[in-house]
Amino acid sequence: AAGVIQSPRHLIKEKRETATLKCYPIPRHDTVYWYQQGPGQDPQFLISFYEKMQSDKGSIPDRFSAQQFSDYHSELNMSSLELGDSALYFCASSLGQGKNLSNQPQHFGDGTRLSIL
Amino acid sequence: DAKTTQPNSMESNEEEPVHLPCNHSTISGTDYIHWYRQLPSQGPEYVIHGLTSNVNNRMASLAIAEDRKSSTLILHRATLRDAAVYYCIHSPEFYMRRGGSNYKLTFGKGTLLTVNP
Repeated sequence: AAGVIQSPRHLIKEKRETATLKCYPIPRHDTVYWYQQGPGQDPQFLISFYEKMQSDKGSIPDRFSAQQFSDYHSELNMSSLELGDSALYFCASSLGQGKNLSNQPQHFGDGTRLSIL
Repeated sequence: DAKTTQPNSMESNEEEPVHLPCNHSTISGTDYIHWYRQLPSQGPEYVIHGLTSNVNNRMASLAIAEDRKSSTLILHRATLRDAAVYYCIHSPEFYMRRGGSNYKLTFGKGTLLTVNP
């Protein structure tokens, strides 16, 4: 079965550069979530989208922005990168339309490992 | 945010059953109980979820206490590939709507399961 695809798998950037992470949800999934996991930390929610509109924001810096496109894929844009942005970034998808989200598993990708030098 | 309590770590031997406990004393009547696991260098993986009745799937079983204030994830025969951090999460009933919502998974500390050969 098709899973959530994230690209790139690894990304190395320098401070003050920009980065774009991409997420392709499972086919027919209309809801996308982004999570950040720092070294030795648990995943923390960043932002979510439903039907191409932002649904919720967590502890996401103003330097970060994201969007969901008409094909439901999503991109996380990160600017003015800082050393503290080094982390694993996971995308997850689920069905949202007409569903009780509490009864819908979130399916995660394998993440993008972002390293800031 | 919904709070759960899990042991920091547990150890098991290969091919033996494993019972991973979770306390969620603040759970509401319509909150589902989810279990995810995260293998090293991978994204979180959905394991199982339930509301009131015990649940079984190909990966595990979920036993939910009658008062729903605790649950136990049961791996019937642990393998080395089951070594991971296991997260217990309870999430409220929620229906996504365009333009705003407040639904996300809140990961706690989880239980690090070690499986000995």
